Parts: sequence; C-alpha cells; structure tokens
Amino acid sequence: ETGVTQTPRHLVMGMTNKKSLKCEQHLGHNAMYWYKQSAKKPLELMFVYSLEERVENNSVPSRFSPECPNSSHLFLHLHTLQPEDSALYLCASSQREKAYEQYFGPGTRLTVT
Amino acid sequence: GQSLEQPSEVTAVEGAIVQINCTYQTSGFYGLSWYQQHDGGAPTFLSYNGLDGLEETGRFSSFLSRSDSYGYLLLQELQMKDSASYFCAVRDGRNTDKLIFGTGTRLQVFP
Repeated sequence: ETGVTQTPRHLVMGMTNKKSLKCEQHLGHNAMYWYKQSAKKPLELMFVYSLEERVENNSVPSRFSPECPNSSHLFLHLHTLQPEDSALYLCASSQREKAYEQYFGPGTRLTVT
Repeated sequence: GQSLEQPSEVTAVEGAIVQINCTYQTSGFYGLSWYQQHDGGAPTFLSYNGLDGLEETGRFSSFLSRSDSYGYLLLQELQMKDSASYFCAVRDGRNTDKLIFGTGTRLQVFP
C-alpha cells in the first residue's frame, strides 16, 4: 500500500450506532489530520496530531473522538451522530515542518440516518 | 474572522489559459497552497508560495502578493482532465500544522 489509505470508503449508520474510521499513512510523515467536507462548504479541519500528540481540536463536538496510537495510524471514533454529520471525512498527513503540503486519503463517505 | 475567497466556478475551453484568484483575510499568514480535487477524489497538492512572486510547475503556476493578501493559480494549455475543483489554503501560524481552506473553485473545461 502506498500513500494514505482510509477504511471504510462508505459508511451508513444510525444515530445510536458507534463506529470508527481508520486512516493509515505509508509516507513516513509525523503529522496527521482529520477534515470534514460537506457540500458547498470549505474543507473543515477537525483534529491535528503532530508527533502523535493532539495539537488542534477545532471546536468539534464530543461525539467525534480521535485516536492516534502511532505516527502511521489515525482513528476517528463516532457515537450518537446527527444527520448533519453526514459528509465526506478526509484524513491527511504531512511532514510537520511542511504542513502546507498535505497528502490526503480517498475519504469515507458517511451517511447518518 | 478568517476567510479565503475564491470564485465559485470558472469555465474555459481546451488549450486556453485560466486564472483562479484567491483573496485571504487571516489572523496570520505563513504561505499559500493550492490543491486540486476531482469529483469523487481526494485533494492533491499542487503548489506552495511562501514568498511573493511566481512559482512554476509545468503547466501550472501560482502567484502570491502578501501586500495585497492575494494569490492566484494559473493553468495553461488546459486539458479536459483539468476539470476539477481547486482550493487555496493558508497556513496561519509559524508553528502551526493547521491549514485554512478556501471555498473552492469548480473549473469546467470544454472541448
């Protein structure tokens, strides 16, 4: 595998479910990011992990919980989501000193019913 | 607040040149990046300007004027495969890993 991978690619979940999104990067980077992309809106940064430490939490509701067990893996744990959370969730990675050059995974298309 | 403004849509024909503008208003500024995203695909990095002036990468060039809080992406010899959304993004702090993205410009290239 090369680059940044994300699983699952598509996810449909009810509001009472608990699920997790997984991201893995094979680029040797030391920073990882979660973004939310909704129609007609800019990419919204959710979380940043730099050297495995969370350095940014962009006022994200607590129903989203990130986890970064090592520099190659990033998870987003989801529970009791709302329909407005339906979106494309993108993971990205970079070298910390080159945060302007981020490499994105293909995303998880999430639908909350 | 912090904002990056881009035109929502641009159209052009194959072989033409198109310029996508980005004006920003952010609390800090440490460089302007450009990303391309095809429908159903992931954003991919195109270019970065840390200083004023023009950066050229093949058919694509990017320009920055920090005094005007303005930049643009120039696409030359347009091809059908260039049809995509283009985002500018600002790194707003010297020691931050955070990018603020613009609203995106959808480019449609016609034959």
